Amino acid sequence: GAVVSQHPSWVICKSGTSVKIECRSLDFQATTMFWYRQFPKQSLMLMATSNEGSKATYEQGVEKDKFLINHASLTLSTLTVTSAHPEDSSFYICSALGGGPDEKLFFGSGTQLSVL
Amino acid sequence: DAKTTQPTSMDCAEGRAANLPCNHSTISGNEYVYWYRQIHSQGPQYIIHGLKNNETNEMASLIITEDRKSSTLILPHATLRDTAVYYCVGSGNTGKLIFGQGTTLQVKP
Repeated sequence: GAVVSQHPSWVICKSGTSVKIECRSLDFQATTMFWYRQFPKQSLMLMATSNEGSKATYEQGVEKDKFLINHASLTLSTLTVTSAHPEDSSFYICSALGGGPDEKLFFGSGTQLSVL
Repeated sequence: DAKTTQPTSMDCAEGRAANLPCNHSTISGNEYVYWYRQIHSQGPQYIIHGLKNNETNEMASLIITEDRKSSTLILPHATLRDTAVYYCVGSGNTGKLIFGQGTTLQVKP
């Protein structure tokens, strides 16, 4: 199946710093990618839809100025958590929409962010 | 996007079939039913999906009722490695998936 690579797998940062997470579709082009986050013992929560060459669409309640999304190419989307605070500590997961008549969503392995 | 309802947890004996139900009574005509599973601290893994007909692949079978209001994921011979949270998700033409709480499947020796 299609492979989505997410980097880094985990990151620890100080409060107030910014963290960038990369999501790459390795063997297919993805015009659309999605970013989720997941708190312990909870389900995945959709944060935003990332479209190549255009602005991301954010879900209600997600601050677009805090979670910057860039989808500059058909194989790369990035999520930058700006001025991170401890409450931003979470598991962030990206996914990419594969092509074909019945498109499937392929997920990265996730990034565990811990803000001290 | 359809709202899905699944039991919170289920147990299954190793080697036996695991049948995981999902209710999606609000699903629209063009929405596929997708099943994913997530093992702790990993990204979700695609299992199977379908629209109207039953589907089978190397991982599982998907049985969709004729009225499409519910479906069942069948793992024919569950192993300990199948212990995970299983998500049933409806997807429309936007491609995005809205996850519910899923079913925690515990496969026991």
